Amino acid sequence: DTGVSQNPRHKITKRGQNVTFRCDPISEHNRLYWYRQTLGQGPEFLTYFQNEAQLEKSRLLSDRFSAERPKGSFSTLEIQRTEQGDSAMYLCASTREGLRNGPLHFGNGTRLTVT
Amino acid sequence: AQSVTQPDIHITVSEGASLELRCNYSYGATPYLFWYVQSPGQGLQLLLKYFSGDTLVQGIKGFEAEFKRSQSSFNLRKPSVHWSDAAEYFCAVALNTDKLIFGTGTRLQVFP
Repeated sequence: DTGVSQNPRHKITKRGQNVTFRCDPISEHNRLYWYRQTLGQGPEFLTYFQNEAQLEKSRLLSDRFSAERPKGSFSTLEIQRTEQGDSAMYLCASTREGLRNGPLHFGNGTRLTVT
Repeated sequence: AQSVTQPDIHITVSEGASLELRCNYSYGATPYLFWYVQSPGQGLQLLLKYFSGDTLVQGIKGFEAEFKRSQSSFNLRKPSVHWSDAAEYFCAVALNTDKLIFGTGTRLQVFP
């Protein structure tokens, strides 16, 4: 169990640029979640996958945000035309078969700064 | 509206003192309940969870929480706080969708 891995750890980008983050969940975890956390707030749910299927998306996930998990393993979160309001910590988490069967394991996050 | 409330933004205690962090939820049914801790530079770690059964739940690091249906609360407690407990604590709930909804967090500061 190597834990949930997120890359990069930090990303600084200029407004209007596109960014992509990667999450590698714990192997054999079929559920993968994306959250966003801003300073002084709790993590906000963005979306989650069961295997390669995206089961739910938050209304927070505007058209500029897209997430994929093409082979049911790693996932990517892309933000197009970044805005300063997108600056946040983006957290990935995974679990096996849902919350009743095991804890949600979080990665250390990708901190995005949009200048 | 459905929500999770942590009324205390910041709590300061002396090392060795007891601790209680408050959490209230507003949902139509009893959700699954969780407490997570986030230390600086660290990922969120699960302290304990409640699904059903005994309303007093034991967790890691000496923490416990009590579910009170009548008060829609799930307060976190520790009898004697250690300096290493200084961190941000988040209460979270989940309904059948397995989607965790977090509160805004309580920052715990521990004085020697």
